[in-house]
Amino acid sequence: KNEVEQSPQNLTAQEGEFITINCSYSVGISALHWLQQHPGGGIVSLFMLSSGKKKHGRLIATINIQEKHSSLHITASHPRDSAVYICAVRWNTGNQFYFGTGTSLTVIP
Amino acid sequence: EAQVTQNPRYLITVTGKKLTVTCSQNMNHEYMSWYRQDPGLGLRQIYYSMNVEVTDKGDVPEGYKVSRKEKRNFPLILESPSPNQTSLYFCASSARLAGGNSEQYFGPGTRLTVT
Repeated sequence: KNEVEQSPQNLTAQEGEFITINCSYSVGISALHWLQQHPGGGIVSLFMLSSGKKKHGRLIATINIQEKHSSLHITASHPRDSAVYICAVRWNTGNQFYFGTGTSLTVIP
Repeated sequence: EAQVTQNPRYLITVTGKKLTVTCSQNMNHEYMSWYRQDPGLGLRQIYYSMNVEVTDKGDVPEGYKVSRKEKRNFPLILESPSPNQTSLYFCASSARLAGGNSEQYFGPGTRLTVT
């Protein structure tokens, strides 16, 4: 049973659109990570959150600990944002990481 | 340049032939981990290490072994590979985990096919 759920699974957007990807989890966490995986496979860490909100360029990540929910927003989307975005959590009871199955984003020029 | 390296990047092997995938990081990170990625299942943790000589099972450890004799290296060993271990494997490291959190740095991946 996957206790980290992402939505949507697939997303197609026009260039310039505002994009939101969601991640929900089932139990308390010590940290949540957003990762980006481009075609070809390499994985890059975008954000690590334990509370609040972080911003880097056009990317914004938020987390609501009480609701067990995080969102990744992309403003003014661009074709180079096309990738799979993955949510990963570390439960507050251990040192393992658990992953969502990813959101595949395609941004059309 | 700070990086996590994995070798080999691609490997095709036969059932039962022991193999090792190496992982090395040059950032003096304490935490290292191995993941496998399969279509529809996403990333799953195989083993992780909090520091030298400290390793622990992740979600899917069956059929794998690891060792952490030096801080920079964390090899993944498949003693008797089987076709269900065909997958894309990632090694990752981070500065610390105990008492805090740090971002993970991922290696480029190793695509393993077991026939």
